[in-house]
Amino acid sequence: EAGVAQSPRYKIIEKRQSVAFWCNPISGHATLYWYQQILGQGPKLLIQFQNNGVVDDSQLPKDRFSAERLKGVDSTLKIQPAKLEDSAVYLCASSLAPGGPIDTQYFGPGTRLTVL
Amino acid sequence: AQSVTQLDSQVPVFEEAPVELRCNYSSSVSVYLFWYVQYPNQGLQLLLKYLSGSTLVKGINGFEAEFNKSQTSFHLRKPSVHISDTAEYFCAVIIQGAQKLVFGQGTRLTINP
Repeated sequence: EAGVAQSPRYKIIEKRQSVAFWCNPISGHATLYWYQQILGQGPKLLIQFQNNGVVDDSQLPKDRFSAERLKGVDSTLKIQPAKLEDSAVYLCASSLAPGGPIDTQYFGPGTRLTVL
Repeated sequence: AQSVTQLDSQVPVFEEAPVELRCNYSSSVSVYLFWYVQYPNQGLQLLLKYLSGSTLVKGINGFEAEFNKSQTSFHLRKPSVHISDTAEYFCAVIIQGAQKLVFGQGTRLTINP
């Protein structure tokens, strides 16, 4: 079974530029999550999708971050414009059940973003 | 608000020695508890989880954790570690009725030969 795929693995940009990350969840997984992991901290949930609807985006900085999950499969996370404090690893995860918090989340390898 | 505290940012141990990684949570209601492992350049992988029932939970790779409600702790243990256990370990919690997985700041486990 293929795992969660993310691209790119690494990205370096200058502040005020825009950037986009892509995630392809495990086939058949209804729920998709985007996390931000700043160096030295645990992952923080940015947004959770159930199929193509948003379940929780309370910690997404909506003035600069946006995310979509068209057709309820893969997803993109965009930052525009980027700030220095956005430097982090962006993790995508998926789980089988629709919106079930106790179902195992499977994580991708992450995209490491460096903002200069 | 629920929170998770991992008491040690780094834990160095010798190979084949026992190890305990500490985790405390703050919540006045029932919780679900998790331990995830992150190997270098890889995504997080679930080690084990406590949902209900027996307070001693066994996971993959010889790890186990014990839920202690009175001390609000969920410490991770392994009786004999290997070089391959070198990784970052994250404790996480979900409050019953909530949706969000909240992670601790992580403990870096380093195994010395």
